[in-house]
Amino acid sequence: AQSVTQLGSHVSVSEGALVLLRCNYSSSVPPYLFWYVQYPNQGLQLLLKYTTGATLVKGINGFEAEFKKSETSFHLTKPSAHMSDAAEYFCAVSGYQAGTALIFGKGTTLSVSS
Amino acid sequence: DSGVTQTPKHLITATGQRVTLRCSPRSGDLSVYWYQQSLDQGLQFLIQYYNGEERAKGNILERFSAQQFPDLHSELNLSSLELGDSALYFCASSVEGTTFYNEQFFGPGTRLTVL
Repeated sequence: AQSVTQLGSHVSVSEGALVLLRCNYSSSVPPYLFWYVQYPNQGLQLLLKYTTGATLVKGINGFEAEFKKSETSFHLTKPSAHMSDAAEYFCAVSGYQAGTALIFGKGTTLSVSS
Repeated sequence: DSGVTQTPKHLITATGQRVTLRCSPRSGDLSVYWYQQSLDQGLQFLIQYYNGEERAKGNILERFSAQQFPDLHSELNLSSLELGDSALYFCASSVEGTTFYNEQFFGPGTRLTVL
């Protein structure tokens, strides 16, 4: 079975500080991993995805994530937080046992203060 | 704007009732997924349709059903509603439904409140 664990339901940073959102996965097959962002009262938007190849993946809005197989992790980072980054972030793995549907973590709410 | 539309945006109903949520996928997308987002369960996959056929089932209750029509829009039917069914229901679509790295585009969701 596949699962995703996001460490920390709430992360607070100052504007300009490093953003680090943690995600660990469990999968018996090579995973496909995704980060989505949800702004208030909106749907989910794909930030980035890892399929195969380069383990450092760059996404939109300056975010990137590194796939580390040995650590079963796919942490999301951004060097310098902006106020507009405040949102809820979801890590997901493609669900082999559920077709191509996504299995999501519980989400991490990012707050950015000035 | 993802190109996926969902109606209605909000729905308030009473326990025991039945409702229908509608989703129109992006133009050209053949696959539709339904997800439920609630405070206690988080985001959970309910069901997937691909070109009119059911492709995969997740944690969907027997009181819930879905279908995808020839024009590829999809409807999620929720019946005998309970208070615990109150949630945000998302529809997502992808170009096809057989590869695991296909990006899914999410609609804005329908917020269901059961009183």
